[in-house]
Amino acid sequence: NAGVMQNPRHLVRRRGQEARLRCSPMKGHSHVYWYRQLPEEGLKFMVYLQKENIIDESGMPKERFSAEFPKEGPSILRIQQVVRGDSAAYFCASSPVGSYSGNTIYFGEGSWLTVV
Amino acid sequence: GQQLNQSPQSMFIQEGEDVSMNCTSSSIFNTWLWYKQEPGEGPVLLIALYKAGELTSNGRLTAQFGITRKDSFLNISASIPSDVGIYFCAGQETSGSRLTFGEGTQLTVNP
Repeated sequence: NAGVMQNPRHLVRRRGQEARLRCSPMKGHSHVYWYRQLPEEGLKFMVYLQKENIIDESGMPKERFSAEFPKEGPSILRIQQVVRGDSAAYFCASSPVGSYSGNTIYFGEGSWLTVV
Repeated sequence: GQQLNQSPQSMFIQEGEDVSMNCTSSSIFNTWLWYKQEPGEGPVLLIALYKAGELTSNGRLTAQFGITRKDSFLNISASIPSDVGIYFCAGQETSGSRLTFGEGTQLTVNP
């Protein structure tokens, strides 16, 4: 997972505050994915982005969550008015442009959000 | 939606033993991936499989992409204490699309 940079690694927010998680993909990667992992569970897909485009946001909660991947700068996952149930590890992953033979997805080290 | 059933949920083995875990899916995947996750870290890619029937090794790890494209297994031979962690399978429908993860196999290796 070297190369996919996430920050902050740990974030504590009070209920009702906003959380912003940042992800810089590996060099040369143009696809970014966000996944959420609740304790003792597998990773659940949230959103898939390319530069300036949201490709698939079918895993995003309908309210309070948004994601962007601007032309310049990192991808941002934004959670507004956080609640205790948002406490989880949020992983960003990146991949190069897809090919018929398949591509591989590399993960960052995660951002652990705790809502108190 | 797609579901991946991963088993076993946990394994407790002695150092030197071989380990096998598998994933089955309700739908077809074109790519199977196996990851290892250690506490406080992100998943690290171990093996990627792209073709039905493909058998691929990475050191003591061997994984196979099932013929039906609905299953995959991972074997670890001669386990060592540093193999401890959670192993996840993941399926990908098409190149670039989302990954669907299994629930993980927690591996404990006793020295």
